[in-house]
Amino acid sequence: KAGVTQTPRYLIKTRGQQVTLSCSPISGHRSVSWYQQTPGQGLQFLFEYFSETQRNKGNFPGRFSGRQFSNSRSEMNVSTLELGDSALYLCASSLAGTSGSLTQYFGPGTRLLVL
Amino acid sequence: AQKVTQAQTEISVVEKEDVTLDCVYETRDTTYYLFWYKQPPSGELVFLIRRNSFDEQNEISGRYSWNFQKSTSSFNFTITASQVVDSAVYFCALATNAGGTSYGKLTFGQGTILTVHP
Repeated sequence: KAGVTQTPRYLIKTRGQQVTLSCSPISGHRSVSWYQQTPGQGLQFLFEYFSETQRNKGNFPGRFSGRQFSNSRSEMNVSTLELGDSALYLCASSLAGTSGSLTQYFGPGTRLLVL
Repeated sequence: AQKVTQAQTEISVVEKEDVTLDCVYETRDTTYYLFWYKQPPSGELVFLIRRNSFDEQNEISGRYSWNFQKSTSSFNFTITASQVVDSAVYFCALATNAGGTSYGKLTFGQGTILTVHP
């Protein structure tokens, strides 16, 4: 079974631009979560989607948004990029996020550099 | 609020040594799940183990073992006879159903960098 895939793997943007990252979950997985990883703040939860609905949200500004499609694929968008948005963005999927099937499996990440 | 603390920032060992990674967690929820993930230089987080709050049975799987103690809110991870390939960053994580939404949010510790020298 194919794992979680993320595109693109690397991205360079300039301040003020916007960016869209894509995540395809493991086949059959319906929950997708996004995380930001930086050297200073570590791994931080952004949001979780299930059945095209945002089910959980972390403490990030409104510039960070996401969505999920009917095939469970998810995208996250960051508008008006700031230098501090440079990070590794990780996507994870799980079967349903409920107690019986909540183990999250991660993709390789998208490394975003904002200049 | 949930919190995970990994007090060891970096550990350096020589191959074949045993090494234990410490993890302490905080939560008010009675049902929760604990995880260990490994992050090699490639960046992808690799799932290692999951334990739920009502199962304190410890386990050994090959060279890996886990020690979960609710009384001390600890979930430690041991690698026996370490190998160079074990070099990576190891993260402890906690999932709760705070707010009654789901277990889809993981709270991570800061990670422990493990370096195994040949």
